[in-house]
Amino acid sequence: GQSLEQPSEVTAVEGAIVQINCTYQTSGFYGLSWYQQHDGGAPTFLSYNGLDGLEETGRFSSFLSRSDSYGYLLLQELQMKDSASYFCAVRDGNSGYALNFGKGTSLLVTP
Amino acid sequence: GAVVSQHPSRVICKSGTSVKIECRSLDFQATTMFWYRQFPKQSLMLMATSNEGSKATYEQGVEKDKFLINHASLTLSTLTVTSAHPEDSSFYICSAPSRGNTEAFFGQGTRLTVV
Repeated sequence: GQSLEQPSEVTAVEGAIVQINCTYQTSGFYGLSWYQQHDGGAPTFLSYNGLDGLEETGRFSSFLSRSDSYGYLLLQELQMKDSASYFCAVRDGNSGYALNFGKGTSLLVTP
Repeated sequence: GAVVSQHPSRVICKSGTSVKIECRSLDFQATTMFWYRQFPKQSLMLMATSNEGSKATYEQGVEKDKFLINHASLTLSTLTVTSAHPEDSSFYICSAPSRGNTEAFFGQGTRLTVV
């Protein structure tokens, strides 16, 4: 089976940097993804790491270490609108490569 | 990114009735779509994989006779919740994978309330 672990809640102040870690266990690895979801909304894609290293997209970066089964999402210059839930996800080769999501990290950005 | 349109966004129905949720890929063809369910403050849980032209594949614990999935065309998958009960009240959301499977495009989600 698959499992993903990420912190349940993180609080940070506006303008700060926050890192959300994710460790995973999976029998077949097809990349680690990150999604953002605001209350009542659909998840939106943030980043994908198929290989080790850092991927940068604007204020958001994501890192992967396959040997450690570990990744993180880094959010810089936090804004109030970044308050949301963040999910790491891996693909499940036994379910048509559907995304299997972690339990999510609720990020609260405070003034 | 590609657009997946899901309707309705909200629906309230009486216990015992059925509700159909549509998921359309607007600018691409999706041979596979995924249906998820999300309870408040919880993660998205995969219910089933919808395959165009063939039967859906259901995850363990998901009743295929209760959650009917049809994927009759390359741009439309439907989920019908039959004989709905209050415990079926949830957020249902569909997604389609990108070419290369590096990204998933999600519909807007459907908030189902069974009264």
